[in-house]
Amino acid sequence: NAGVTQTPKFQVLKTGQSMTLQCAQDMNHEYMSWYRQDPGMGLRLIHYSVGAGITDQGEVPNGYNVSRSTTEDFPLRLLSAAPSQTSVYFCASSPRDRVYEQYFGPGTRLTVT
Amino acid sequence: EDQVTQSPEALRLQEGESSSLNCSYTVSGLRGLFWYRQDPGKGPEFLFTLYSAGEEKEKERLKATLTKKESFLHITAPKPEDSATYLCAVQAGTNAGKSTFGDGTTLTVKP
Repeated sequence: NAGVTQTPKFQVLKTGQSMTLQCAQDMNHEYMSWYRQDPGMGLRLIHYSVGAGITDQGEVPNGYNVSRSTTEDFPLRLLSAAPSQTSVYFCASSPRDRVYEQYFGPGTRLTVT
Repeated sequence: EDQVTQSPEALRLQEGESSSLNCSYTVSGLRGLFWYRQDPGKGPEFLFTLYSAGEEKEKERLKATLTKKESFLHITAPKPEDSATYLCAVQAGTNAGKSTFGDGTTLTVKP
């Protein structure tokens, strides 16, 4: 199993540009989440999903959209990038019977200039 | 609103010097408290889940405990390879899958 994969690993955007961060998992996990991590801080939940077709907002959803059309994929879309969205983004997944045991991807480091 | 506070922010130990990390939480209806380890440049790695006060979990040199207001991660005779940031998180209420993380404690173990 590849586990949780994220692409790209690094990205530089200009203010106002849009892009999609990709996340995929091959463990058939029902739950998936997107977090951002700023320097010296913990993880803040952006959006999460409890299954295909179901998504909900986390702590910091503004400026981000998600969709979950399949169990495997959970892309995060930045609508109009702002410098405040410069961060490291992590995707995570967990099975329904061990929802707290999240498996994290390697992260995407995003810089918005 | 769920809150998780970790202390200290940073901890430097000599190899073999045991200590504890603290995670205090304020939530309504705790479903679970969990600990993760994060190495620089990598995603967090799951360590433990604790569900109720009095529960304890162990893994190698790490032992996690839980009370009604806080959790401790005890590190016994640490080694340099235990150096990492340790994150505490909770899930509470009816929103399964919605986690709140603390800011972490960065542990450095010197040989």
